[in-house]
Amino acid sequence: AQTVTQSQPEMSVQEAETVTLSCTYDTSESDYYLFWYKQPPSRQMILVIRQEAYKQQNATENRFSVNFQKAAKSFSLKISDSQLGDAAMYFCAYRSFGGAGSYQLTFGKGTKLSVIP
Amino acid sequence: DGGITQSPKYLFRKEGQNVTLSCEQNLNHDAMYWYRQDPGQGLRLIYYSQIVNDFQKGDIAEGYSVSREKKESFPLTVTSAQKNPTAFYLCASRIRQGAREKLFFGSGTQLSVL
Repeated sequence: AQTVTQSQPEMSVQEAETVTLSCTYDTSESDYYLFWYKQPPSRQMILVIRQEAYKQQNATENRFSVNFQKAAKSFSLKISDSQLGDAAMYFCAYRSFGGAGSYQLTFGKGTKLSVIP
Repeated sequence: DGGITQSPKYLFRKEGQNVTLSCEQNLNHDAMYWYRQDPGQGLRLIYYSQIVNDFQKGDIAEGYSVSREKKESFPLTVTSAQKNPTAFYLCASRIRQGAREKLFFGSGTQLSVL
């Protein structure tokens, strides 16, 4: 079974600065997807960014980018120019590429990010 | 606007009582999911359904039941057999778009035991 580990329960960043959230995972599969989801105080889950394991290029979405190290099974999220609205819980998640068509995401326990004005 | 609607936002259960959480989507998505979130934990899959009249157990299905009689609806019943039901419940749906598929989440239901 796959496991996802987020070793930083809480982090803080100064507004306009850059912060990196860590995520490691354990899998024996070669093809899979990795995700970062954001959960603000409203508790609505929002997809931040997605990475396909077969792609060597790191995904980017505006101020959000990832550092995907497949051999090390590491998938960190970098938030540049942090804004107050970035304050939230961030969850790293893993999904197998193939299988029976289910969409069973395996989630980490989350990192609570605070943004200091 | 298209989206996923969960109701109620807050729900209280008495001992020995079954309660049902509603999840409705107008996104025309095939697959729907129920996740449970406990404080300090990630999301854990309870049940999922890929098509109408079909559903599968997730990692923590014991004490829960679901139905999928319509494409738009996927209600979750928390039965009296679930001894620790207090949690935040999230419903989600997805449509297959190859590598760009993703989950769309509702706003959740907080269930507490009286």
